Amino acid sequence: QKEVEQDPGPLSVPEGAIVSLNCTYSNSAFQYFMWYRQYSRKGPELLMYTYSSGNKEDGRFTAQVDKSSKYISLFIRDSQPSDSATYLCAMSGGNFGNEKLTFGTGTRLTIIP
Amino acid sequence: DSGVTQTPKHLITATGQRVTLRCSPRSGDLSVYWYQQSLDQGLQFLIQYYNGEERAKGNILERFSAQQFPDLHSELNLSSLELGDSALYFCASSLRGADTQYFGPGTRLTVL
Repeated sequence: QKEVEQDPGPLSVPEGAIVSLNCTYSNSAFQYFMWYRQYSRKGPELLMYTYSSGNKEDGRFTAQVDKSSKYISLFIRDSQPSDSATYLCAMSGGNFGNEKLTFGTGTRLTIIP
Repeated sequence: DSGVTQTPKHLITATGQRVTLRCSPRSGDLSVYWYQQSLDQGLQFLIQYYNGEERAKGNILERFSAQQFPDLHSELNLSSLELGDSALYFCASSLRGADTQYFGPGTRLTVL
């Protein structure tokens, strides 16, 4: 079983819809949770960075972490065609020697105009 | 632009050869990470350096090695290349350890 599970999709939604992306994990040592966006053949771009449980909002993006359920989510409001990309969840323990990121497989998202 | 640079962008080489990938971290960042992205394995952590010292190792093959130089740039050396080594190789940097990691544009390696 992988440490981080993510539905690979693909996911297609109409422009303006709310998008919900999710990951589950098994390693209770994870403390830092991130969402990256990756366009085809480009480097991952950081969208959201959250420590421990709770919600964080940045513009149209909201990240939620529920450590009790080992479940994280990313919501995209008012989705735009430019949001079409692969979304990767990532997490780390954060302590010395355990700062590496463990990634989900990524969800490919297409926003239909 | 994340501020992390990687060269070259593309590499095409033959099995059995050796290549070197180069990464320059963001100005001021002390920590450099190398990741491999393949279609079947996704993004996998290879190795981390912090201020010139190796800090953590992932599933890095013995044929692969890395180092971080005094000016903080890093190189990933891949030797005795196999077809299965074809992948995107990303470098990421962070200010210290458990800080936000910013990724470079990657080097696409094709082994023929």
